[in-house]
Amino acid sequence: AQKITQTQPGMFVQEKEAVTLDCTYDTSDPSYGLFWYKQPSSGEMIFLIYQGSYDQQNATEGRYSLNFQKARKSANLVISASQLGDSAMYFCAMRVVDSNYQLIWGAGTKLIIKP
Amino acid sequence: EAQVTQNPRYLITVTGKKLTVTCSQNMNHEYMSWYRQDPGLGLRQIYYSMNVEATDKGDVPEGYKVSRKEKRNFPLILESPSPNQTSLYFCASRTGLDGANVLTFGAGSRLTVL
Repeated sequence: AQKITQTQPGMFVQEKEAVTLDCTYDTSDPSYGLFWYKQPSSGEMIFLIYQGSYDQQNATEGRYSLNFQKARKSANLVISASQLGDSAMYFCAMRVVDSNYQLIWGAGTKLIIKP
Repeated sequence: EAQVTQNPRYLITVTGKKLTVTCSQNMNHEYMSWYRQDPGLGLRQIYYSMNVEATDKGDVPEGYKVSRKEKRNFPLILESPSPNQTSLYFCASRTGLDGANVLTFGAGSRLTVL
């Protein structure tokens, strides 16, 4: 069965430190895509980064990078030099062909950056 | 500005009183979807639409209806709301199906059913 697991319900991190948010996935489909979204307290969903299953290199977008370990089926989000504005819920999601291209979502991780 | 617009943003209603949450996108996207978000459960898909006049059930369709008569609009209808439908609702759209086509979300509609 297709599944996304985010094992960290909440995290506290000191400002300016790097943060790793865990995401593991389960699918037997060789073609899939992995997404990370941020949801600040205001509620909107903001796309951060995407990794395709056939991409050779880890995706990066500014301070965000995706540590993609295909054999371990993990797609951890790394935020470098965290800022107070990074405090938010973070969701990992997966899109597979088998699920008719629908997104399967993790339960989220609440990240709080301490000054 | 390219966006997905949902209305209302906030609504308190009573059990059994029919309501509609509207969703409109101005990006000419084929695909649209409705999600509900509940604490600890992430986002769960209610219904989605691949194109005009094509809708399909998601993971939690019970108690909801949708229609897609025009490409830009995808309203969510609660015929007889119940308290367990109290939730944060998101409409989203994207173009195409595969690859890095990213979902664009509306701002969310917080619904409370008393």
